[in-house]
Amino acid sequence: KAGVTQTPRYLIKTRGQQVTLSCSPISGHRSVSWYQQTPGQGLQFLFEYFSETQRNKGNFPGRFSGRQFSNSRSEMNVSTLELGDSALYLCASSPGDANEKLFFGSGTQLSVL
Amino acid sequence: KNEVEQSPQNLTAQEGEFITINCSYSVGISALHWLQQHPGGGIVSLFMLSSGKKKHGRLIATINIQEKHSSLHITASHPRDSAVYICAATLNQFYFGTGTSLTVIP
Repeated sequence: KAGVTQTPRYLIKTRGQQVTLSCSPISGHRSVSWYQQTPGQGLQFLFEYFSETQRNKGNFPGRFSGRQFSNSRSEMNVSTLELGDSALYLCASSPGDANEKLFFGSGTQLSVL
Repeated sequence: KNEVEQSPQNLTAQEGEFITINCSYSVGISALHWLQQHPGGGIVSLFMLSSGKKKHGRLIATINIQEKHSSLHITASHPRDSAVYICAATLNQFYFGTGTSLTVIP
């Protein structure tokens, strides 16, 4: 089985722009969750989608949004980028029940200049 | 205020030593995850616990729900165990610890 695939691997944007990141889960997995990792704040939870619906949400501003498609692929969007949004963005998939092991992608490294 | 506290922050061990990493949490949880992240590498989920104890190879994870505490043990440590270990408590969202950086010296 193919693992969790995130694209692109690296991205450079400037302040004020918006960005869309993509995550393809393991085949058959219905839950996709997104995380931000920075040296200063560590790992933080953004949101989780299950069957095209946002199931859980972390404490990030509304500039961070996501969606999930019928094939379980998910996208994350950040609008009006700020320098502080520079981070590694990770997604993870799981079969779907609330408490299951997570399978992480390699992440997208976003740099905001 | 951090909902999840990990200790120690850094740990250096000799190959073969028994290692313990601790995780305490203040929130009610439905599960506790232990994650491993190698330098420059992705994250691997080691365990997901809601009670008791789990073992996989040389790794053992335990959780005490009443005391809100979990431990990750590595028996007979090896240099390839060098990584950052992160615990995460979950209840509708994830609360992450700051990680324990482990270096195992040959």
